[in-house]
Amino acid sequence: EVQLVESGGGLVQPGGSLRLSCAASGFSLSSYDVNWVRRAPGKGLEWLSYISTSGDNIHYADSVRGRFTISRDNAKNSLYLEMNSLRAEDTAVYYCARDGTDGPDDYYGAFDIWGQGTMVTVST
Amino acid sequence: DIVMTQSPDSLAVSLGERATIKCKSSQSILYSYDNKNYLAWYQEKPGQPPKLLIYWASTRASGVPDRFSGSGSGTDFTLTISSLQAEDAAVYYCQQYDNMPLVYTFGQGTKLEIK
Repeated sequence: EVQLVESGGGLVQPGGSLRLSCAASGFSLSSYDVNWVRRAPGKGLEWLSYISTSGDNIHYADSVRGRFTISRDNAKNSLYLEMNSLRAEDTAVYYCARDGTDGPDDYYGAFDIWGQGTMVTVST
Repeated sequence: DIVMTQSPDSLAVSLGERATIKCKSSQSILYSYDNKNYLAWYQEKPGQPPKLLIYWASTRASGVPDRFSGSGSGTDFTLTISSLQAEDAAVYYCQQYDNMPLVYTFGQGTKLEIK
């Protein structure tokens, strides 16, 4: 079964750090660009960060640039999100999501596989 | 930055009836290099991750029932559920992709309830 599984969420104090992981199974993560997306309680979906297959092309949303770092280890079929200087407004369910594609020239511009999410709570 | 605006914020539709959700982009998301609209629709149910329904504005994702359809081009898009089923109660999001610079932007969501 093709799936993504996040881990690493939890309760952290404001100003603290947390590292999220996303493990892929049923497919080779190295063949896909991947992203982190979050949904805060009572809010909508927010794209956070993108990383290309090789890791040499990375982008961030303005809301997390300079605080969050995306990375990947294709040998471990895994994606990561290092989160620093966390704020109350970072409280959310964090999802990893795969870019959909049917090939190098058929990029969906959308996320076809999502993990179940991991909850991050930033609070005293 | 491109802003995606959905309407309505919520709606209630009877079983078997048609549901229509609109999404408007603040600028065109039709890319001339491949003539594709990079507009997607997702369904989100409580306790579940979002599910991709439609990409390229009108292409159904694998396994999505054909009662779901997408239409539109440029800045105005529509998701239509032709005959509402009980399991279609959910929040629906549109999302655009831009590569200059790379960014994905979601609409605020539309809550669909069964009347």
